[in-house]
Amino acid sequence: DSGVTQTPKHLITATGQRVTLRCSPRSGDLSVYWYQQSLDQGLQFLIQYYNGEERAKGNILERFSAQQFPDLHSELNLSSLELGDSALYFCASSVVQGPGELFFGEGSRLTVL
Amino acid sequence: QKEVEQDPGPLSVPEGAIVSLNCTYSNSAFQYFMWYRQYSRKGPELLMYTYSSGNKEDGRFTAQVDKSSKYISLFIRDSQPSDSATYLCAMSEDDYKLSFGAGTTVTVRA
Repeated sequence: DSGVTQTPKHLITATGQRVTLRCSPRSGDLSVYWYQQSLDQGLQFLIQYYNGEERAKGNILERFSAQQFPDLHSELNLSSLELGDSALYFCASSVVQGPGELFFGEGSRLTVL
Repeated sequence: QKEVEQDPGPLSVPEGAIVSLNCTYSNSAFQYFMWYRQYSRKGPELLMYTYSSGNKEDGRFTAQVDKSSKYISLFIRDSQPSDSATYLCAMSEDDYKLSFGAGTTVTVRA
C-alpha cells in the first residue's frame, strides 16, 4: 500500500458527461501529480500541484482541470468526455517539488461509452 | 518519434535467469533516471533512482545509465516469479515532469 488513496476505483459514464476523480496523498506529501495511462500512449503526465499551487503542466486537455485543496487532497475534473478519454488515471504524491520518488495510487479506471 | 522508447516485449524467462531491460531517449537534458515496477491492476512503484550516468545496485537489481549513448538499462539477477510485472523506465530534466517509457511486460516462469 503506497498510502495514496484514489476514488472511485472504477467509473463508467457516457460521452459528453463530466466526472471528478479524487486523490488523497500520503500523509506529509505536499506534491500531487496526475497521470493518464492508456494502452496506446502509456503513462502521460497531466499536471502537478505543490502545496495548493499549480507547478507544472503536461499534455492536459482544456476539457480537463484540477485543483489541490488546503487539506492537500486533489481533484481532477474531466468534462465533455469523449471515447478516447477512457483510461486509467493515476494520482501520485511526493514530499518534494522536484523529481524525487513518486508514490502512486491504484488508479481510477474511467470507461466512456 | 517518442521522447522515451522502450520495447514493450513481452519478455518471458525461466526462474533464475537474468532479465535485461532497456530504454533509449532523445532528450539530452534528462538527468534523473528511474525504473518503476507495475503489477497488474496496481500503480507503479519505484525500483531504482539514478542521477546522471553510472551504475547503481540494489540487491538483485542493477541500473545502468549511459548518457553519451542516451541509453539506460535495468538488470534483474536470479529472477523470481514474483518479479513478473511491467517495468517502466522514467526520466526527467531538472523540473517536475517525468517522461515514461511504454513499459516492458516480464513473465518469470517457475
